[in-house]
Amino acid sequence: GNSVTQMEGPVTLSEEAFLTINCTYTATGYPSLFWYVQYPGEGLQLLLKATKADDKGSNKGFEATYRKETTSFHLEKGSVQVSDSAVYFCALRGRGAQKLVFGQGTRLTINP
Amino acid sequence: NAGVTQTPKFQVLKTGQSMTLQCAQDMNHEYMSWYRQDPGMGLRLIHYSVGAGITDQGEVPNGYNVSRSTTEDFPLRLLSAAPSQTSVYFCASISPGQGAYEQYFGPGTRLTVT
Repeated sequence: GNSVTQMEGPVTLSEEAFLTINCTYTATGYPSLFWYVQYPGEGLQLLLKATKADDKGSNKGFEATYRKETTSFHLEKGSVQVSDSAVYFCALRGRGAQKLVFGQGTRLTINP
Repeated sequence: NAGVTQTPKFQVLKTGQSMTLQCAQDMNHEYMSWYRQDPGMGLRLIHYSVGAGITDQGEVPNGYNVSRSTTEDFPLRLLSAAPSQTSVYFCASISPGQGAYEQYFGPGTRLTVT
């Protein structure tokens, strides 16, 4: 079945550092890929998405590229801010399906 | 436009009690779902619905019931609460826009069963 594996957290960085959160997936066919963010005490919000191979999703300075050859969708940001502290979830949706499969989440803390 | 709303925000139950978690959306989405979030396990799908009158089981349905009498509402019922159901529960609805099926989440209900 479909599955998503994220790098283990927690991740702690200093402000303005470069961020990478790894995400790899297992799926048949060509899934759509997503990154969601959960700020403390809130629900999940869609951060970015990519629906086909080589697509790059981007939002709020975050980027992720759909790499089918490595079955990956790593999240990156060039210069993180304290306000980026949150839990980040990688997720996929199988082609023709509506259900999302989530990774376990990565807690990110940015220190000033 | 409120999006997806959930009530209550917090709830404490004793083992064996029953309760209903409420979820409503005002975006006219056909597809809605319930997830539970546990530490280190991400979100797991409990039940989902593809439209009024149609529901189906997700990954972890045991101990939960759902019904969908209207497009707007999708309540989740715990018939006899157990400590293993202590979790944060999220309701979501899906927009089929441009084939990407974007999910909109409610703010969550934090449930503790003692």
